[in-house]
Amino acid sequence: QKEVEQNSGPLSVPEGAIASLNCTYSDRVSQSFFWYRQYSGKSPELIMSIYSNGDKEDGRFTAQLNKASQYVSLLIRDSQPSDSATYLCAVNSQTGRRALTFGSGTRLQVQP
Amino acid sequence: DAGVTQSPTHLIKTRGQQVTLRCSPKSGHDTVSWYQQALGQGPQFIFQYYEEEERQRGNFPDRFSGHQFPNYSSELNVNALLLGDSALYLCASSLVGTEYQETQYFGPGTRLLVL
Repeated sequence: QKEVEQNSGPLSVPEGAIASLNCTYSDRVSQSFFWYRQYSGKSPELIMSIYSNGDKEDGRFTAQLNKASQYVSLLIRDSQPSDSATYLCAVNSQTGRRALTFGSGTRLQVQP
Repeated sequence: DAGVTQSPTHLIKTRGQQVTLRCSPKSGHDTVSWYQQALGQGPQFIFQYYEEEERQRGNFPDRFSGHQFPNYSSELNVNALLLGDSALYLCASSLVGTEYQETQYFGPGTRLLVL
């Protein structure tokens, strides 16, 4: 079992719709969670971080964390073609590990 | 506010050669992490440097080594290059804090091609 799992996609949504990206992780003691956006040929760009159960909103983005289910998600409201990219979920555990463990990413396509 | 910078942007080497990649962290940051990203995969952690010492290392062979300088900049060295070392090498900087709240910001990366 991979430590961080994401559906590779592509996830295709029409412009203006809500895109829902999901991520599960295996290390139960994981404490911090990050979503990065990566355009083709570019480096990852931080979108959001979340540490506590529940929702965290930033503009059109909402991160949701459920530690009991070991599940983190990212919602993108009013999706735009410029949101088309690969979204990477990253996890950092509390057990002395400072490295981020990444999923393979979900490719999102927003259709105009 | 200067972001993370990396050099060079692209590099072509042949098998068996050695390569050095460089990174300058974001202004105010003191910790540098290196990641390798193969095509279609998420970044894989190589190692992290803080206070000029390797603080943590991922599952990479000793051919991968690094260094951090007093000004917090860092180098990644790879010896005896293999074809499989072809990848995007990412540097991420952060400010030391509680270990699970260090947010890492990535530089533009160095794309290495080994022929």
